Amino acid sequence: TQLLEQSPQFLSIQEGENLTVYCNSSSVFSSLQWYRQEPGEGPVLLVTVVTGGEVKKLKRLTFQFGDARKDSSLHITAAQTGDTGLYLCAGKTGANNLFFGTGTRLTVIP
Amino acid sequence: KAGVTQTPRYLIKTRGQQVTLSCSPISGHRSVSWYQQTPGQGLQFLFEYFSETQRNKGNFPGRFSGRQFSNSRSEMNVSTLELGDSALYLCASSSGDRGGYGYTFGSGTRLTVV
Repeated sequence: TQLLEQSPQFLSIQEGENLTVYCNSSSVFSSLQWYRQEPGEGPVLLVTVVTGGEVKKLKRLTFQFGDARKDSSLHITAAQTGDTGLYLCAGKTGANNLFFGTGTRLTVIP
Repeated sequence: KAGVTQTPRYLIKTRGQQVTLSCSPISGHRSVSWYQQTPGQGLQFLFEYFSETQRNKGNFPGRFSGRQFSNSRSEMNVSTLELGDSALYLCASSSGDRGGYGYTFGSGTRLTVV
């Protein structure tokens, strides 16, 4: 059962453009994490959000956790080629382990 | 401080064989989780070990097993390999909060079953 759906699945944009990736679920999460994965490597943690409505900024990346703690978004401003990668959201539910989203593969074209 | 180390990085096995993968977590981390990543299914949770005890298990057949040693190093074993077991196997460590504040992943072991 896939608890987390990400959209879009693929995204190809020009350097300098802005973009938003969405992570949606019908389940409530106690925390929501975002990772970026590059080919041949494991995912790298970008941020963890734990409070409904929370907004965190990491340089050009802005992460928001939905008020009901069921969804999240990742906004990138002025994308750079170094932002290219697979973006994964992951939600923690109760006593269970993390469940990962379907992923968004971002390509930033120079 | 050293990250999560997985060995080997690449492995080719034949159907029916068995394989053992190894993971050394970040020093001080007592929780080790294993994930299988495939293009079709994404990242799927296999199991989690904490202080040598399996604390949680995903929905995989009994051919997939694991263990954790007293130094927190972990191994996973897959017996009677099938073609569908070809995947990137990722190990992640955390300080013991069930990954609630984030995992540190290793680079993975790429298993190919032929």
